[in-house]
Amino acid sequence: KQEVTQIPAALSVPEGENLVLNCSFTDSAIYNLQWFRQDPGKGLTSLLLIQSSQREQTSGRLNASLDKSSGRSTLYIAASQPGDSATYLCAVLTPSNTGKLIFGQGTTLQVKP
Amino acid sequence: EPEVTQTPSHQVTQMGQEVILRCVPISNHLYFYWYRQILGQKVEFLVSFYNNEISEKSEIFDDQFSVERPDGSNFTLKIRSTKLEDSAMYFCASSEQELSTDTQYFGPGTRLTVL
Repeated sequence: KQEVTQIPAALSVPEGENLVLNCSFTDSAIYNLQWFRQDPGKGLTSLLLIQSSQREQTSGRLNASLDKSSGRSTLYIAASQPGDSATYLCAVLTPSNTGKLIFGQGTTLQVKP
Repeated sequence: EPEVTQTPSHQVTQMGQEVILRCVPISNHLYFYWYRQILGQKVEFLVSFYNNEISEKSEIFDDQFSVERPDGSNFTLKIRSTKLEDSAMYFCASSEQELSTDTQYFGPGTRLTVL
Protein backbone atom coordinates (compact mmCIF):
# COMPACT_ATOMS: atom_id res chain seq x y z
CA LYS A 1 0.00 0.00 0.00
CA GLN A 2 1.40 3.37 -1.02
CA GLU A 3 2.31 5.70 1.86
CA VAL A 4 3.51 9.28 1.43
CA THR A 5 5.45 11.03 4.17
CA GLN A 6 6.65 14.62 4.40
CA ILE A 7 9.42 15.91 6.62
CA PRO A 8 9.55 18.25 8.43
CA ALA A 9 5.96 18.80 9.57
CA ALA A 10 6.69 22.47 10.16
CA LEU A 11 9.47 24.85 9.22
CA SER A 12 10.17 28.45 10.13
CA VAL A 13 12.81 30.43 8.25
CA PRO A 14 13.84 34.08 7.88
CA GLU A 15 13.00 35.86 4.65
CA GLY A 16 15.53 35.35 1.87
CA GLU A 17 16.66 31.90 2.94
CA ASN A 18 16.73 28.98 0.50
CA LEU A 19 14.94 25.89 1.79
CA VAL A 20 14.16 22.29 0.94
CA LEU A 21 11.01 20.35 1.68
CA ASN A 22 11.12 16.56 1.58
CA CYS A 23 8.62 13.96 0.43
CA SER A 24 9.06 10.20 0.44
CA PHE A 25 6.86 7.42 -0.88
CA THR A 26 6.99 3.69 -0.27
CA ASP A 27 6.08 2.29 -3.71
CA SER A 28 8.13 3.48 -6.68
CA ALA A 29 5.35 2.51 -9.13
CA ILE A 30 3.88 5.95 -9.72
CA TYR A 31 2.71 7.87 -12.78
CA ASN A 32 3.72 11.26 -11.47
CA LEU A 33 4.30 13.32 -8.35
CA GLN A 34 2.70 16.68 -7.76
CA TRP A 35 3.45 19.46 -5.30
CA PHE A 36 0.56 21.62 -4.08
CA ARG A 37 0.27 24.70 -1.94
CA GLN A 38 -2.58 25.07 0.58
CA ASP A 39 -3.33 28.34 2.32
CA PRO A 40 -5.30 28.16 5.61
CA GLY A 41 -8.93 27.23 4.99
CA LYS A 42 -8.42 27.25 1.24
CA GLY A 43 -8.16 24.78 -1.61
CA LEU A 44 -5.08 23.27 -3.16
CA THR A 45 -3.08 25.09 -5.80
CA SER A 46 -0.90 23.00 -8.08
CA LEU A 47 2.73 24.13 -8.13
CA LEU A 48 4.65 21.51 -10.08
CA LEU A 49 4.03 18.13 -11.66
CA ILE A 50 6.91 15.73 -12.34
CA GLN A 51 6.22 12.76 -14.56
CA SER A 52 7.72 9.43 -13.55
CA SER A 53 10.25 9.62 -16.40
CA GLN A 54 11.48 13.09 -15.38
CA ARG A 55 14.09 14.08 -12.82
CA GLU A 56 13.07 17.65 -12.11
CA GLN A 57 10.75 20.52 -12.92
CA THR A 58 11.21 24.24 -12.39
CA SER A 59 8.80 27.13 -12.07
CA GLY A 60 10.19 30.49 -11.06
CA ARG A 61 11.80 30.18 -7.63
CA LEU A 62 10.56 26.60 -7.25
CA ASN A 63 12.42 23.49 -8.27
CA ALA A 64 11.15 19.98 -7.67
CA SER A 65 13.21 16.85 -8.09
CA LEU A 66 12.19 13.22 -8.27
CA ASP A 67 14.22 10.11 -7.55
CA LYS A 68 11.70 7.38 -8.21
CA SER A 69 14.00 4.48 -7.41
CA SER A 70 14.66 5.75 -3.89
CA GLY A 71 11.10 6.98 -3.42
CA ARG A 72 12.01 10.60 -2.79
CA SER A 73 11.14 14.07 -4.00
CA THR A 74 12.30 17.47 -2.85
CA LEU A 75 10.84 20.92 -3.34
CA TYR A 76 13.46 23.64 -3.33
CA ILE A 77 12.33 27.20 -2.72
CA ALA A 78 14.88 29.89 -3.49
CA ALA A 79 14.99 33.27 -1.80
CA SER A 80 11.93 32.65 0.35
CA GLN A 81 9.39 35.43 0.90
CA PRO A 82 6.67 35.95 3.55
CA GLY A 83 4.11 35.27 0.81
CA ASP A 84 5.48 31.73 0.53
CA SER A 85 4.05 30.96 3.99
CA ALA A 86 1.58 28.10 3.50
CA THR A 87 1.30 24.34 3.78
CA TYR A 88 3.02 22.42 1.00
CA LEU A 89 1.63 19.01 0.06
CA CYS A 90 3.11 16.36 -2.15
CA ALA A 91 0.95 13.72 -3.79
CA VAL A 92 1.69 10.69 -5.95
CA LEU A 93 -0.52 9.49 -8.76
CA THR A 94 -1.03 5.75 -8.53
CA PRO A 95 -0.75 3.63 -11.70
CA SER A 96 -4.40 2.63 -11.57
CA ASN A 97 -5.68 4.68 -14.55
CA THR A 98 -8.24 6.27 -12.26
CA GLY A 99 -6.46 9.46 -11.26
CA LYS A 100 -6.21 8.59 -7.58
CA LEU A 101 -3.78 10.87 -5.75
CA ILE A 102 -2.24 9.84 -2.44
CA PHE A 103 -1.17 12.77 -0.30
CA GLY A 104 1.43 13.36 2.36
CA GLN A 105 0.48 15.20 5.51
CA GLY A 106 2.18 18.39 4.40
CA THR A 107 4.89 20.74 5.61
CA THR A 108 3.72 24.03 7.09
CA LEU A 109 6.15 26.77 6.17
CA GLN A 110 6.42 30.12 7.88
CA VAL A 111 8.71 32.73 6.35
CA LYS A 112 9.40 35.57 8.79
CA PRO A 113 10.02 39.10 7.48
CA GLU B 1 -8.11 31.47 -16.01
CA PRO B 2 -10.66 28.62 -15.73
CA GLU B 3 -11.20 27.29 -12.24
CA VAL B 4 -13.16 24.67 -10.35
CA THR B 5 -15.95 26.14 -8.25
CA GLN B 6 -17.78 24.60 -5.30
CA THR B 7 -20.95 25.48 -3.43
CA PRO B 8 -21.72 26.03 -0.66
CA SER B 9 -18.49 27.14 0.97
CA HIS B 10 -19.79 26.02 4.36
CA GLN B 11 -22.63 23.60 5.14
CA VAL B 12 -23.91 22.89 8.62
CA THR B 13 -26.27 19.94 9.05
CA GLN B 14 -27.74 17.71 11.71
CA MET B 15 -26.61 14.11 12.04
CA GLY B 16 -28.74 11.84 9.90
CA GLN B 17 -29.61 14.50 7.35
CA GLU B 18 -28.81 14.29 3.66
CA VAL B 19 -26.41 16.78 2.11
CA ILE B 20 -25.47 17.50 -1.47
CA LEU B 21 -22.18 19.20 -2.23
CA ARG B 22 -21.92 20.81 -5.64
CA CYS B 23 -19.02 21.35 -7.97
CA VAL B 24 -18.57 22.88 -11.39
CA PRO B 25 -15.40 21.41 -12.94
CA ILE B 26 -13.38 23.14 -15.64
CA SER B 27 -15.43 22.94 -18.82
CA ASN B 28 -13.22 20.83 -21.10
CA HIS B 29 -12.11 18.41 -18.39
CA LEU B 30 -13.09 14.77 -18.56
CA TYR B 31 -12.03 13.35 -15.18
CA PHE B 32 -13.66 14.37 -11.91
CA TYR B 33 -12.76 13.63 -8.31
CA TRP B 34 -13.82 14.14 -4.73
CA TYR B 35 -11.34 14.27 -1.86
CA ARG B 36 -11.82 15.14 1.76
CA GLN B 37 -9.62 16.49 4.54
CA ILE B 38 -10.56 16.03 8.16
CA LEU B 39 -9.13 18.84 10.27
CA GLY B 40 -5.45 18.24 10.93
CA GLN B 41 -5.29 15.12 8.76
CA LYS B 42 -4.16 14.21 5.25
CA VAL B 43 -6.17 14.89 2.13
CA GLU B 44 -7.90 11.57 1.32
CA PHE B 45 -9.18 10.30 -2.00
CA LEU B 46 -12.89 9.46 -2.08
CA VAL B 47 -13.87 8.77 -5.68
CA SER B 48 -12.94 9.31 -9.31
CA PHE B 49 -15.48 9.62 -12.12
CA TYR B 50 -15.04 9.32 -15.88
CA ASN B 51 -17.41 8.80 -18.77
CA ASN B 52 -20.43 8.98 -16.45
CA GLU B 53 -19.34 6.22 -14.16
CA ILE B 54 -17.18 5.69 -11.09
CA SER B 55 -13.61 4.70 -11.97
CA GLU B 56 -12.42 4.02 -8.45
CA LYS B 57 -13.72 4.58 -4.96
CA SER B 58 -12.00 4.36 -1.61
CA GLU B 59 -13.06 2.42 1.48
CA ILE B 60 -14.47 5.65 2.86
CA PHE B 61 -16.92 5.89 -0.05
CA ASP B 62 -19.53 3.48 1.29
CA ASP B 63 -23.23 3.12 0.45
CA GLN B 64 -23.98 6.45 2.14
CA PHE B 65 -22.07 8.29 -0.57
CA SER B 66 -22.99 8.79 -4.20
CA VAL B 67 -21.83 10.99 -7.06
CA GLU B 68 -23.66 12.29 -10.08
CA ARG B 69 -23.11 14.44 -13.11
CA PRO B 70 -26.70 15.57 -13.64
CA ASP B 71 -25.94 17.82 -16.59
CA GLY B 72 -22.99 18.91 -18.68
CA SER B 73 -21.52 21.18 -16.04
CA ASN B 74 -22.26 20.06 -12.47
CA PHE B 75 -20.71 17.25 -10.46
CA THR B 76 -22.29 16.44 -7.10
CA LEU B 77 -21.44 14.45 -4.01
CA LYS B 78 -24.38 13.25 -1.91
CA ILE B 79 -24.15 11.92 1.61
CA ARG B 80 -27.47 10.23 2.44
CA SER B 81 -27.34 10.14 6.23
CA THR B 82 -24.55 12.23 7.65
CA LYS B 83 -22.50 11.14 10.66
CA LEU B 84 -20.41 13.22 13.02
CA GLU B 85 -17.26 11.77 11.46
CA ASP B 86 -18.25 13.11 8.05
CA SER B 87 -17.31 16.58 9.25
CA ALA B 88 -14.46 17.63 6.98
CA MET B 89 -13.43 19.85 4.11
CA TYR B 90 -14.57 18.30 0.83
CA PHE B 91 -12.63 19.15 -2.31
CA CYS B 92 -13.72 18.62 -5.87
CA ALA B 93 -11.06 18.32 -8.58
CA SER B 94 -10.92 17.82 -12.32
CA SER B 95 -8.32 17.00 -14.93
CA GLU B 96 -8.23 17.23 -18.66
CA GLN B 97 -7.38 14.03 -20.45
CA GLU B 98 -4.09 12.35 -19.90
CA LEU B 99 -3.90 11.09 -16.31
CA SER B 100 -0.13 10.71 -16.22
CA THR B 101 0.66 14.22 -17.43
CA ASP B 102 -2.30 16.42 -16.58
CA THR B 103 -2.56 18.31 -13.33
CA GLN B 104 -5.61 17.90 -11.15
CA TYR B 105 -7.20 21.29 -10.47
CA PHE B 106 -8.87 21.64 -7.11
CA GLY B 107 -11.80 23.75 -6.05
CA PRO B 108 -11.78 25.90 -2.89
CA GLY B 109 -13.65 23.26 -0.90
CA THR B 110 -16.87 22.94 1.07
CA ARG B 111 -16.53 22.79 4.82
CA LEU B 112 -19.13 20.31 6.11
CA THR B 113 -20.01 20.47 9.80
CA VAL B 114 -22.24 17.71 11.17
CA LEU B 115 -23.81 18.45 14.56
